[in-house]
Amino acid sequence: AQTVTQSQPEMSVQEAETVTLSCTYDTSESDYYLFWYKQPPSRQMILVIRQEAYKQQNATENRFSVNFQKAAKSFSLKISDSQLGDAAMYFCAYPRPGGSEKLVFGKGTKLTVNP
Amino acid sequence: ETGVTQSPTHLIKTRGQQVTLRCSSQSGHNTVSWYQQALGQGPQFIFQYYREEENGRGNFPPRFSGLQFPNYSSELNVNALELDDSALYLCASSLGQGLFNEQFFGPGTRLTVL
Repeated sequence: AQTVTQSQPEMSVQEAETVTLSCTYDTSESDYYLFWYKQPPSRQMILVIRQEAYKQQNATENRFSVNFQKAAKSFSLKISDSQLGDAAMYFCAYPRPGGSEKLVFGKGTKLTVNP
Repeated sequence: ETGVTQSPTHLIKTRGQQVTLRCSSQSGHNTVSWYQQALGQGPQFIFQYYREEENGRGNFPPRFSGLQFPNYSSELNVNALELDDSALYLCASSLGQGLFNEQFFGPGTRLTVL
């Protein structure tokens, strides 16, 4: 069975500082995508960043970047210059076999940003 | 471009009843996936519809069923509700099939079963 593990139920960071959220996954697939989603209190899940497994280069989207270690099956999210609006649940996700639309999610990390 | 919408926002039912949740896809999207998110957990995949046909199912019993209509909107039906069905139900739409098609999520329906 495919699993996604987020070992940090909660994290906190001071505004303007950097925080890293961890994620490990288990798959036998050779080509796949990995995703980080943000779910604010409004509940709407928003895609933060995605990584294509066959690409060596780590993905970056503005203040968000990933550290993708394929051999270790590790996919961490780094948020730089944290803002109050970054406070949310963050979920790491991996696609089930058959297409990337069918996602397996971790249990999430609740990020608090302190002013 | 209209985003993914879901109705109702909240719903309270009693054990044994039946419920129908609705989802309108983002314009042009032909694939809808449904997820169940229990409190404090990540979403779990229920099933997916692609061009009105079921296209994959997670580990959910048959009392969870769905439909997709020609306009690609979708319904999730749950029969014989149980207390453990209390959760946030999310739908997500995407365009087509393939290794990557970004899913766009709706705001969810919060179902409470008493």
